[in-house]
Amino acid sequence: SQTIHQWPATLVQPVGSPLSLECTVEGTSNPNLYWYRQAAGRGLQLLFYSVGIGQISSEVPQNLSASRPQDRQFILSSKKLLLSDSGFYLCAWERGGQPQHFGDGTRLSIL
Amino acid sequence: GEDVEQSLFLSVREGDSSVINCTYTDSSSTYLYWYKQEPGAGLQLLTYIFSNMDMKQDQRLTVLLNKKDKHLSLRIADTQTGDSAIYFCAADSWGKLQFGAGTQVVVTP
Repeated sequence: SQTIHQWPATLVQPVGSPLSLECTVEGTSNPNLYWYRQAAGRGLQLLFYSVGIGQISSEVPQNLSASRPQDRQFILSSKKLLLSDSGFYLCAWERGGQPQHFGDGTRLSIL
Repeated sequence: GEDVEQSLFLSVREGDSSVINCTYTDSSSTYLYWYKQEPGAGLQLLTYIFSNMDMKQDQRLTVLLNKKDKHLSLRIADTQTGDSAIYFCAADSWGKLQFGAGTQVVVTP
């Protein structure tokens, strides 16, 4: 069966520090991968999606970037975090138009 | 307005039925989804319906789709305290999912 892992689960970072969140999928190949952000009490905002290694589409201009160095690995990064980057970050995968399946999320707090 | 809209809050007594409503704008959406999010957790896929269906039932869950009005609902029968969560409606649009803001369901004894 397929599983998706995100880490870390919780992260507290100072303003201006770098960020790296990782997401990996097991049990499938060539998945489409997604990064979402959920602000407190709000819905999900799609940040990035990827249909293959090295292929990244950005949905909103922001302080973040994404990379896909391997087929089942998706990384969300920032060189300098802003206060507004706080939120709950969710990674998701799907394949062949099937429903998206989500990881457990990373709660990021910026101080 | 938003592409997918939901009411923000629903309070229901344990044992009663819950109905969560959702409207969407993209008439070309092929699939419509319901996800559940418990506090501090990711989103769990509950059920989904193909756009050529009117209804789908899965144990205590019933999804109704009115494609003409672009209205989707989720009915939870015999609501339990474990059903307390935020429920998200989502519609696929040009290969991506558009999510509503979520409906917080609170189940009271």
